[in-house]
Amino acid sequence: GAVVSQHPSWVICKSGTSVKIECRSLDFQATTMFWYRQFPKQSLMLMATSNEGSKATYEQGVEKDKFLINHASLTLSTLTVTSAHPEDSSFYICSASPGQQETQYFGPGTRLLVL
Amino acid sequence: QKEVEQDPGPLSVPEGAIVSLNCTYSNSAFQYFMWYRQYSRKGPELLMYTYSSGNKEDGRFTAQVDKSSKYISLFIRDSQPSDSATYLCAMSAKGGKLIFGQGTELSVKP
Repeated sequence: GAVVSQHPSWVICKSGTSVKIECRSLDFQATTMFWYRQFPKQSLMLMATSNEGSKATYEQGVEKDKFLINHASLTLSTLTVTSAHPEDSSFYICSASPGQQETQYFGPGTRLLVL
Repeated sequence: QKEVEQDPGPLSVPEGAIVSLNCTYSNSAFQYFMWYRQYSRKGPELLMYTYSSGNKEDGRFTAQVDKSSKYISLFIRDSQPSDSATYLCAMSAKGGKLIFGQGTELSVKP
């Protein structure tokens, strides 16, 4: 149980284009979903927290107009990187929380490369 | 001072060894403690979740929480090459964000 999927697993795009990443909780309803970014050899950096049906809460320093988050249902959240630049290249990981407990279950991650 | 401190390693052990991974923290409001395992280029996988002080065992893994010392540990018995990964401790207060340690890179040599 507690499986979270992400799609796509990797994406290469040209600078200036937008990329959408989907995160789904497959066998539970996620009241809260989280988006992280991870650089090589570093720990996870929380970008934003989203609750179903409400606006996401962004961490300090994360541009909400650049990283658009939509939490359309209790099993789906999307992250759109708008007007991507090479410095946006990173490993993006989502997680989901069932709400009854404080733990989070992570997706497999999406590797983004912006050329 | 970081809220959660974890020795980044790398830690290299022979197959069959007992591995001890540790984290210290400064926020006494932390109540929930987790250990995640992350293989290269993959998302973190939840290994252990504990709420109270004491020990919790699951197979070859034992998680230990000492709230009085603000110290948590993960022990791996009979370590295997497949245990080679980065181990992240994580903790939170009720309703709070999950705070991660820096991760310890473990290598188990056959």
